[in-house]
Amino acid sequence: NAGVTQTPKFQVLKTGQSMTLQCAQDMNHEYMSWYRQDPGMGLRLIHYSVGAGITDQGEVPNGYNVSRSTTEDFPLRLLSAAPSQTSVYFCASSYSWVNTGELFFGEGSRLTVL
Amino acid sequence: TQLLEQSPQFLSIQEGENLTVYCNSSSVFSSLQWYRQEPGEGPVLLVTVVTGGEVKKLKRLTFQFGDARKDSSLHITAAQPGDTGLYLCAGIIYGGSQGNLIFGKGTKLSVKP
Repeated sequence: NAGVTQTPKFQVLKTGQSMTLQCAQDMNHEYMSWYRQDPGMGLRLIHYSVGAGITDQGEVPNGYNVSRSTTEDFPLRLLSAAPSQTSVYFCASSYSWVNTGELFFGEGSRLTVL
Repeated sequence: TQLLEQSPQFLSIQEGENLTVYCNSSSVFSSLQWYRQEPGEGPVLLVTVVTGGEVKKLKRLTFQFGDARKDSSLHITAAQPGDTGLYLCAGIIYGGSQGNLIFGKGTKLSVKP
């Protein structure tokens, strides 16, 4: 079972470059989300989606864009990377956004911005 | 403001010892979850507690949700090296949904053989 798949696992960018972190889930989950994890800061929600065509901002959305054209995919775009965006990014999905369901996480994407 | 405070931040113990990790807040939560994260991997759900005063057991791990639904604890009996990892509590504030799920900063546990 694939679950939640993130690509790439590692990426190095220069300040000002753009890139997209890919996330795909094969569990037909309604809810998908992106978190960033920084030392001493825990997991912080960037953006989330409760279904295809619906997205909303989380706690730290600035500098990131998302879209949800299909149930399966939820890419995260960095339009102009900054060193402050150096972090480990996790995509997560859940069966329902209303009830407290289990969040299934990908393995993470480690991004370094020079 | 950190809505979910976890303590301790770091814990290093010997195999066989018992330990308790705490997750506290001044807010009421409709539910609390505990996740474990190993290096290089995403967090994995251990348990969800939804009722005030609820106690759940998962082998040597015991989870409790406070009566007022503002806090939770994780107790590990006879810790083993395989318990090593980052333990995260996460909660949905009362009246919220998954988009309002917030995480504590985590407790990094190291169990030495």
